[in-house]
Amino acid sequence: GESVGLHLPTLSVQEGDNSIINCAYSNSASDYFIWYKQESGKGPQFIIDIRSNMDKRQGQRVTVLLNKTVKHLSLQIAATQPGDSAVYFCAENSRDTGRRALTFGSGTRLQVQP
Amino acid sequence: GAGVSQSPSNKVTEKGKDVELRCDPISGHTALYWYRQSLGQGLEFLIYFQGNSAPDKSGLPSDRFSAERTGGSVSTLTIQRTQQEDSAVYLCASSLARGYEKLFFGSGTQLSVL
Repeated sequence: GESVGLHLPTLSVQEGDNSIINCAYSNSASDYFIWYKQESGKGPQFIIDIRSNMDKRQGQRVTVLLNKTVKHLSLQIAATQPGDSAVYFCAENSRDTGRRALTFGSGTRLQVQP
Repeated sequence: GAGVSQSPSNKVTEKGKDVELRCDPISGHTALYWYRQSLGQGLEFLIYFQGNSAPDKSGLPSDRFSAERTGGSVSTLTIQRTQQEDSAVYLCASSLARGYEKLFFGSGTQLSVL
């Protein structure tokens, strides 16, 4: 399939290093946040989510941090591998909007150098 | 099925023609979403179906776009009189719709309008 996000901000890391991908959101009423990974030609794949009553959640090699004070979300990937190369999207939802659909950010491309 | 299935995976059409894109959600998922992803962009919400409720059409960009979901399962997104700016990847997602939760995405349909 076609590559997406040709003009996205890019984070380049060495294999084995830790990666931090950042996301800012604007709606102070947002109460659910989620990170997706999208490889070329594929649909977004769930990585990890967090609700607003938490500030940190850990998964396998991934950690999501939420700072509601400054409306900032980050995804940390430990020991980054070549298979982690992809575009990463944050998304959020808010009970205020009454909409169930997630609102997505514009994405960050992660390039892992061997 | 095992995942969200979309067809066709690629569609090339001429400006002014109508196109239909199909989505088969995960069995048992009551919520279905359509998103559009243009090159270099994030995911743009189009429409949301939940059970027998009226769909949330707030993201449809013009009246040339419509969607239906028959029998609470398969959905079809129709674009009439296609324009070159309609060229994008059209992604379908489904979820159990038990509060806020992750969406499961298909691989998308790459639409090219010549």
